[in-house]
Amino acid sequence: DAKTTQPPSMDCAEGRAANLPCNHSTISGNEYVYWYRQIHSQGPQYIIHGLKNNETNEMASLIITEDRKSSTLILPHATLRDTAVYYCIVRVATGANSKLTFGKGITLSVRP
Amino acid sequence: GAGVSQSPSNKVTEKGKDVELRCDPISGHTALYWYRQSLGQGLEFLIYFQGNSAPDKSGLPSDRFSAERTGGSVSTLTIQRTQQEDSAVYLCASSLVRPLGETQYFGPGTRLLVL
Repeated sequence: DAKTTQPPSMDCAEGRAANLPCNHSTISGNEYVYWYRQIHSQGPQYIIHGLKNNETNEMASLIITEDRKSSTLILPHATLRDTAVYYCIVRVATGANSKLTFGKGITLSVRP
Repeated sequence: GAGVSQSPSNKVTEKGKDVELRCDPISGHTALYWYRQSLGQGLEFLIYFQGNSAPDKSGLPSDRFSAERTGGSVSTLTIQRTQQEDSAVYLCASSLVRPLGETQYFGPGTRLLVL
């Protein structure tokens, strides 16, 4: 799976948009971009994934650049409960090698 | 609907004892994964099941670790002769297997402490 690079931490004010960047310059054509988050003492929670088109769901939006070498996860109106470690993962979607490889992620702190 | 459940939620054991950790995947999910997360560390893959078979056991750290899955549903991870370094959160995830866009959903984990 392609390696991803994320800044170690960032913060944002409650109610504002949180834009979390991820670089994946070695991504290949059949690899998806996945985002998970892990709130303290809980299991990882799936957020969103995409291949090349921008995606939106009830939790977040995923913006993937045209060359697919980077992406941004957008939480449109961050709340205190969004404080967590966010993981950007690039992987082939299925098959025997579908295990997730989590890096260090980015710690998002939402301040009141 | 029901998510992935794991039991027990917490387990304290003495060094040298055996422990069994249980995972109930989401109904209908044929793929099941075990991971572990040591304090302050990232997730470490242990084993992957497709149905009842385990095509990828590459992450099991030693022969003290084993896992089985019966009926294509519940899975049990067994650690024999536990050591203090086995202390971690053990996470289970399940997914459908589709040609494109498989997503893993995680349980809350079992926190294992070996004294």
